[in-house]
Parts: sequence; C-alpha cells; structure tokens
Amino acid sequence: EVQLVESGGGLVQPGGSLRLSCAASGFTFSSYWMHWVRQAPGKGLVWVSRINSDGSSTSYADSVKGRFTISRDNAKNTLYLQMNSLRAEDTAVYYCARGQVAGPGMDVWGQGTTVTVSS
Amino acid sequence: DIQMTQSPSSLSASVGDRVTITCRASQSISSYLNWYQQKPGKAPKLLIYAASSLQSGVPSRFSGSGSGTDFTLTISSLQPEDFATYYCQQSYSLYTFGQGTKLEIK
Repeated sequence: EVQLVESGGGLVQPGGSLRLSCAASGFTFSSYWMHWVRQAPGKGLVWVSRINSDGSSTSYADSVKGRFTISRDNAKNTLYLQMNSLRAEDTAVYYCARGQVAGPGMDVWGQGTTVTVSS
Repeated sequence: DIQMTQSPSSLSASVGDRVTITCRASQSISSYLNWYQQKPGKAPKLLIYAASSLQSGVPSRFSGSGSGTDFTLTISSLQPEDFATYYCQQSYSLYTFGQGTKLEIK
C-alpha cells in the first residue's frame, strides 16, 4: 500500500525549532518529488516547500524562506522539514505529499502532523 | 506570485444536482491546474490534474475544464459523499491554492 506517515509535530514556544519527518512506503521514494503543505486551524491549504527526487533542488514559500529547510534521505525513504525561528502563524497541520511522476498534481498525502507554536 | 481565486466560497446544493466551481488565475497558467477534495479532519485528495485529467479511482461524475486563466470543476450529479471543501491549485510557477469552496447540503 502506498503510504506517507508524518511525525514530529507538537507544542513549541515562539522562536523554537522542530523537525518533522514523513516516512514513505509502498513506492519507489527516490523517484518522486515531495512537498510539504500546511493548513492553519479553520483555514485553507498553503504550499510550504518542495524537493526534487535526488534532493539537489529545493523551493520554499516566501513565508518560510530562510527559516525552514526541506531535505530527504532516499536510503531511509524519509522526507524532513526542519523548522527554525517558529512563529505563532506557523501553527498548522503539516502534510507531506507526493508529486505526480507524470503530472503536475500531488497524488498521495499523509494524514498530517500538528504543530502548535505558543508560549 | 500567482494568485488563485475560487468562486463561490460556499455553495448549498442537493443530492443529484449539477454543480460547477470556478477558479481564476491572476495570470496565464496554461493547463497547470489541479483540483482537490478535502473532508473535515482528513487529508486532501487529488481529483483532477492538468485541468481536465481525471485521477485514477475518481468517479467520472467529476470533470474539469479550462486553460489559461479560467477553469471549472463540475460534479454532474452530486452524491452524499461529495459534500466537502474543494480547492484548486496552480503548479505553473511553484504552487498556489485557491481559498476553497465549501459544498454543503441544502
């Protein structure tokens, strides 16, 4: 079964750091671009970051550029999001998603992990 | 940055109705437009990619059309399980989601 499972969310103080993980299974992880997408409570979806299949190219939303770092370990079939200098507005459910290999969409999503930034 | 605007923001409809949701891009995005369905507490699900291609496993009552700046998602005959929030997303230049359209039961 194709599956993505996020972990690492939790409560963190403003200015703190957190690392999210996304474990992939059921497909050849190293062949796919991967994304992080977040959703603040009661709000819409916001794309956060993208990494290409071998990890050599990354992109970020302006709101997280310079604070968040996306990475991957293809040997461990795992995607990461290192989040530093966290702000209250980073509070959200964070989803990892797989980019389609033959299309522009995101075709597999994890269940999400919740990040709360509060003192 | 490319902005995506969906209309309406919410919609009430009945089982069996034909429903259309519109998405407009702030600049041309060719056919780099995807549609997602999200139910409360669940992850989004890809319905349509590249404006009009039906994702595997998605019922044929869902269809998409458009190119350039104007796009539509149509549900030909609403089923009870279709009541959800729908998002468009451009993938022409990085990625931007629309604000969502909440489809509710009338």
